Amino acid sequence: EAGVTQSPTHLIKTRGQQATLRCSPISGHTSVYWYQQALGLGLQFLLWYDEGEERNRGNFPPRFSGRQFPNYSSELNVNALELEDSALYLCASSLGHTQYFGPGTRLTVL
Amino acid sequence: QQQVKQSPQSLIVQKGGISIINCAYENTAFDYFPWYQQFPGKGPALLIAIRPDVSEKKEGRFTISFNKSAKQFSLHIMDSQPGDSATYFCAAESGTSYGKLTFGQGTILTVHP
Repeated sequence: EAGVTQSPTHLIKTRGQQATLRCSPISGHTSVYWYQQALGLGLQFLLWYDEGEERNRGNFPPRFSGRQFPNYSSELNVNALELEDSALYLCASSLGHTQYFGPGTRLTVL
Repeated sequence: QQQVKQSPQSLIVQKGGISIINCAYENTAFDYFPWYQQFPGKGPALLIAIRPDVSEKKEGRFTISFNKSAKQFSLHIMDSQPGDSATYFCAAESGTSYGKLTFGQGTILTVHP
């Protein structure tokens, strides 16, 4: 069974640009979660989508947004990029309680 | 109140030794406590999880000890192996904020052969 996949692996943007990160959940999983893993800060919860709806949101500004598509894949959009947005962005999926993580997208903002 | 504090930041253990990582929390609404293991270049993977109705859970060489009154929980890795070298994260979730895992800062474990 294929795990959670994320694309791209790496993404380099300049300050002020927009970034779009993509996630495909494990087949059959309906929930998708996004986390930011910045250096030295651990994993910070960003967003949770289930059945196409945003169910929970972490303490991040509105320029972090996303959506979930009918096939349960998801996009994370980060607008007006700032230098401190540089981090590993992890997507996870679940059917029940356990969250299964993908390998992440490394976003670098120059 | 939403924080989970994890210690130590890094840990070096000899092969065959016991690795102990500790976490503490303030939010009494937390009711699910998983531990994740992360290897370089990979996403975190669930190792073991516990709920507050039990004080200990063991899976192979990995044991979670849970102290509800002290609001603390810990991961014990028995007979530590070089292949256990990774970053370990404790986490917590509350039923009132389902889906949101609050993670500790992580512990880098190095097991020397």
